[in-house]
Amino acid sequence: DVKVTQSSRYLVKRTGEKVFLECVQDMDHENMFWYRQDPGLGLRLIYFSYDVKMKEKGDIPEGYSVSREKKERFSLILESASTNQTSMYLCASSLKGDYGYTFGSGTRLTVV
Amino acid sequence: SQQGEEDPQALSIQEGENATMNCSYKTSINNLQWYRQNSGRGLVHLILIRSNEREKHSGRLRVTLDTSKKSSSLLITASRAADTASYFCATDTGRRALTFGSGTRLQVQP
Repeated sequence: DVKVTQSSRYLVKRTGEKVFLECVQDMDHENMFWYRQDPGLGLRLIYFSYDVKMKEKGDIPEGYSVSREKKERFSLILESASTNQTSMYLCASSLKGDYGYTFGSGTRLTVV
Repeated sequence: SQQGEEDPQALSIQEGENATMNCSYKTSINNLQWYRQNSGRGLVHLILIRSNEREKHSGRLRVTLDTSKKSSSLLITASRAADTASYFCATDTGRRALTFGSGTRLQVQP
């Protein structure tokens, strides 16, 4: 089975800190995605990547950046964490074409 | 607003009953997908239906797609307590990433 691993299940950071959320997939998927999930808002796309060193902005990229130096790893970076970035962050990967996504277990980030 | 909107927002049924959730969307799609999320966890892919398909089955799941009405439904037959979860529809519009709705919370009472 494809596995998507997010480095932390729970994370507490202080306002202004630089935060790294790591995501690794083990099945050679080309596509990787970062979403955040908030109550009543569903999943919102932050960034996605279709190839190594390639990235595209999603619907809510402000305050975030990403890095994809290797095919299996897609990192989300909060340049200066703010309280409104407290959320559940979900990483996903997929093959190209008509395929479903495989999600990680999520990282619940609290910014205090 | 969301591309996909699920209805109802919450559903509570007894074990053994069928559960039906609906999804409406706004723009044309390549495919529509359904996912399940257990509390506090990641999403699990359930089923994908392409725009040229009208119905698809997988075990106790049945998905229908009506592109003329821009709507889909997910039917879970003979529900079990373990089906308690949130269910999301997601649309592939060729925009290169799925757009998710806000989900339906299903509670199956034992």
